[in-house]
Amino acid sequence: SYVLTQPPSVSVAPGKTARITCGGNNIGSKSVHWYQQKPGQAPVLVIYYDSDRPSGIPERFSGSNSGNTATLTISRVEAGDEADYYCQVWDSSSDHAVFGGGTQLTVL
Amino acid sequence: EVQLVESGGGLVQPGGSLRLSCAASGFTFSSYEMNWVRQAPGKGLEWVSYISSSGSTIYYADSVKGRFTISRDNAKNSLYLQMNSLRAEDTAVYYCARDTQLVRWGQGTLVTVSS
Repeated sequence: SYVLTQPPSVSVAPGKTARITCGGNNIGSKSVHWYQQKPGQAPVLVIYYDSDRPSGIPERFSGSNSGNTATLTISRVEAGDEADYYCQVWDSSSDHAVFGGGTQLTVL
Repeated sequence: EVQLVESGGGLVQPGGSLRLSCAASGFTFSSYEMNWVRQAPGKGLEWVSYISSSGSTIYYADSVKGRFTISRDNAKNSLYLQMNSLRAEDTAVYYCARDTQLVRWGQGTLVTVSS
């Protein structure tokens, strides 16, 4: 089955740029979606189809996907960005949705 | 406003059954694919099942295949998850979510499997 690998944690100072990676075999050939989840809340889609932003998501959130790594980039990080972030793809070979293990973003 | 509201969670003994519901509003439910996703306490997200807009195509995670059944009633704008032969490892918050890119999520309903 397809596996997505994320770092368990990323720390960043306010105002700096956070980059959260999502590794998978030839993930560049798949569409990657990213979700933000704050404690006690349902996940929220922040990036879809690699780099598109849903309405209401700040431009500070961006995504890229190439080769074996997809990346969620959060510019000018704010305290309110502190959350768990998950990447997700649809694995057409198994007809399963697959999530990465999640990355806890800490704003220092 | 798009809304997804799950219900039906609760405490159930191992081997028992439970039926979750997801009531949709604010969009044309019959036009959208739907999913169930769960999250065990303190753990990450796990996809459970998918159903196409018409209900003709269904997929399950290996961990629930043969025990869970996803269905929908487009006339009632509702999605369902029938869960049988429940195990302790099925304990989780269960979310319904719209689209394959999971654009909208409900608030979740907690299922606890314990004796």
